[in-house]
Amino acid sequence: KQEVTQIPAALSVPEGENLVLNCSFTDSAIYNLQWFRQDPGKGLTSLLLIQSSQREQTSGRLNASLDKSSGRSTLYIAASQPGDSATYLCAVMTTDSWGKFQFGAGTQVVVTP
Amino acid sequence: NAGVMQNPRHLVRRRGQEARLRCSPMKGHSHVYWYRQLPEEGLKFMVYLQKENIIDESGMPKERFSAEFPKEGPSILRIQQVVRGDSAAYFCASSPKGFGDTQYFGPGTRLTVL
Repeated sequence: KQEVTQIPAALSVPEGENLVLNCSFTDSAIYNLQWFRQDPGKGLTSLLLIQSSQREQTSGRLNASLDKSSGRSTLYIAASQPGDSATYLCAVMTTDSWGKFQFGAGTQVVVTP
Repeated sequence: NAGVMQNPRHLVRRRGQEARLRCSPMKGHSHVYWYRQLPEEGLKFMVYLQKENIIDESGMPKERFSAEFPKEGPSILRIQQVVRGDSAAYFCASSPKGFGDTQYFGPGTRLTVL
């Protein structure tokens, strides 16, 4: 059974610092991995989707890497801003999952001005 | 192109009542997924539907919960005889092509059971 873990559970950084968020998964037979952002009381916003054949994806200040063999993905956010404060969720889709994501518990990020 | 729409955004029910949550997928999307986020917990998959078909309901509680996605109209998640433990945020997502595709999430319905 796939288990997804996100460390740390919470993170506070001053504005301008780079953010590094970690996601680990136990079953390497994944189809893809998606990073989401969730603001308090709101829905999820998709940030990056990495297919199992890819090593990384980039969008603006965001970069996500994927290492299937070690069961890890890392989300990097460069030059953090207060508007980056949110909970970041990692979700993994395994090859036998028929389309459902297995979510981690999230990392709550606070960027202080 | 409007995003995934869910209504109501907030729903209050008393124990024993029924709750109906609606999800309208993005235009052109025929695959719908329901997830539940219990307080202080992560999102858990509940059910995956395609038009008029349930593809995977492995995350649905065995009793009181049902879901449908008719040929016309929104997807409905129905909870009968609600209990306090059903209080959660229920999120719907949709995708155009199904398995492996990016899922786009709605804003969620926050159910409170008194």
